Amino acid sequence: EVQLLESGGGLVQPGGSLRLSCVGSGFTFSSYAMSWVRQAPGKGLVWVSIIGGSRNITYSADSVKGRFTISRDNSKNTLYLQMDSLRAEDTAVYYCARGHSGSPRFNFLDNWGQGTLVTVSS
Amino acid sequence: DIQMTQSPSSLSASIGDRVTITCRASSSVDTYLNWYQQKPGKAPKLLIYAASTLQSGVPSRFSGSGSGADFTLTISSLQPEDFATYYCQQSFSSPGTFGQGTRLEIK
Repeated sequence: EVQLLESGGGLVQPGGSLRLSCVGSGFTFSSYAMSWVRQAPGKGLVWVSIIGGSRNITYSADSVKGRFTISRDNSKNTLYLQMDSLRAEDTAVYYCARGHSGSPRFNFLDNWGQGTLVTVSS
Repeated sequence: DIQMTQSPSSLSASIGDRVTITCRASSSVDTYLNWYQQKPGKAPKLLIYAASTLQSGVPSRFSGSGSGADFTLTISSLQPEDFATYYCQQSFSSPGTFGQGTRLEIK
């Protein structure tokens, strides 16, 4: 059974940093692209960033470029999202999701974690 | 970025009804269009990918169609567990933008 478990969320002040982690199990982690998707309270889904299975290709939404960095450690079956220069509008539940293939292109999300809440507030 | 627009934004229907949700892309996404279901407090769940392919384990009352820029999700006979919010998402180009969602409520 595919499982994705996020951690690292919490309360952070504007301008601060946070690193989210997502541990995958039940599948060959390195064979799949992985994404972060966020959802602000009461709002819709917003795709944040994706990284290929071999971690050499990444894409990010314009709203987070230069502030968020997606990475992965395939030896630890772990996906990361380093979030810097956080803003109030980054407040959301952050979901880790598995792509259906190793390529970061043309990818749909076939398994999701339960999400971790990030709150940016003073 | 490709913009995705769903209609309606909300919908009230009864058990057994046939329901259709539409999704329009601001430019062609070929058939790189996916549908997700989300229930309150839960993670989204993949229903349909590549416009019309049912994800494993999803009931056959769900179906998808379309290509290019216009797509539909149809539920042939609503069941109690289908009341949720539905999102389309294009995976033709990055970022893989989502529609704003369609909230399906019990009438």
